[in-house]
Parts: sequence; C-alpha cells; structure tokens
Amino acid sequence: NAGVTQTPKFQVLKTGQSMTLQCAQDMNHEYMSWYRQDPGMGLRLIHYSVGAGITDQGEVPNGYNVSRSTTEDFPLRLLSAAPSQTSVYFCASSYSQGQGDYGYTFGSGTRLTVV
Amino acid sequence: AQKVTQAQTEISVVEKEDVTLDCVYETRDTTYYLFWYKQPPSGELVFLIRRNSFDEQNEISGRYSWNFQKSTSSFNFTITASQVVDSAVYFCALSEGGRGSTLGRLYFGRGTQLTVWP
Repeated sequence: NAGVTQTPKFQVLKTGQSMTLQCAQDMNHEYMSWYRQDPGMGLRLIHYSVGAGITDQGEVPNGYNVSRSTTEDFPLRLLSAAPSQTSVYFCASSYSQGQGDYGYTFGSGTRLTVV
Repeated sequence: AQKVTQAQTEISVVEKEDVTLDCVYETRDTTYYLFWYKQPPSGELVFLIRRNSFDEQNEISGRYSWNFQKSTSSFNFTITASQVVDSAVYFCALSEGGRGSTLGRLYFGRGTQLTVWP
C-alpha cells in the first residue's frame, strides 16, 4: 500500500545510546518532515526537508539529526538519547501541485522510551 | 507565540449532543492551509479536512462541518449528533504555503480531547 512507512513502531533505549528512526514514502512527495508528540503539547516539528539534499530545522531540533539523500527516505537520528526524548514520533510526507492542491500523509508513529 | 491555539483542552458531551471545537490561528502569509486531524485512542492521525486561505466556503461532510472565518482567524469544527466513536483528540494545524521553503511545515495546536459518553 502506498504511504509513509515508519520503523520501528516501538523502541526502548538507554540514556546515551544512539539510534535511527526510519521513514520511507513511495508517493514521490517533495516534502518530508518529522514531528514529536508529547502529552498536552500537540505535535511539534523537529526537522523537515523540501527535497533531496535539502533539510532545515523546525521548532525542536536539538538532539536530532536528519539527512535526505533520496526522495523516498528521511531518517531521524538520535545521537545520544536522553529521557527528554521519550515521545511519540511521526514522519510525514507532503506535496504541493498548485491550485491549492496540497496534502499530507502521516506514518503510523514510533513510540520511543528512553530510560 | 503559538501559531495555532485550541483553547479547549478537554470537552465532554453526552451522545447526540452537538459539539464545536475551536481553532484560532495566526499567520502573516496571505496563502496558507488549515487542517483538522483526528487521533483516536489507537494513535494514528486521521485527516479530516484541508481548507485553503482563498476558499472561505464552509463545508459539511455528514455529521461534520467546518466554519472558516478569515476575519476572526478561526477555523472551527462542529460535530452534530455526536457518537461514542467520535471520542478522540482533535488537532487543528496550519501550513504557510506562500513560499516553497514554508511548505512541508505544519504547526499544530495542542489538541482537544473530546469524550462522548453513551
């Protein structure tokens, strides 16, 4: 099925460990982004990309790295996990085709716990 | 300052009541997009509606309706004759689409937890 695939769905890390959350889309969307969801805070933008090779920071980028070497993939790296990074992470891809045609597709989320 | 404000943190209603979820947004762009998403207890984000800044028509889809008013920067969501299955967290979101660099960024409100009791 076409869409945004996030892996893993659940992960427990120890403080200081590193890991990569994977995100892949097969819709040829230009834009991809990562959000984290914390209780009472809504979803906040971590990093986003407007195309292969182009990334930029969002509202809460500290502690995270991204790269976009292909249109399809947009991995999120935690370099040294901290308990404050315990959250649910969503990846999204989006497109704009002019004439007001603009849409988002979200992945199913990754629940990360840092102990 | 928050770009999207959902002042109602929690709302409880009894089945068959009508309920309105408020959303106020802030942007300087003349071109922007507003969204509503539903997040049921299972956790996924379910797209409900997108509204473009140049289209102020209100929309109705079954029991759902949306009232977009640029004059008050509001995009409110009404559920008519609520049902238990409507229980979820509802998010309003804004994307400023005036420039290529701003597309791909969604600003979310903090969400409204709606509980519908039987």
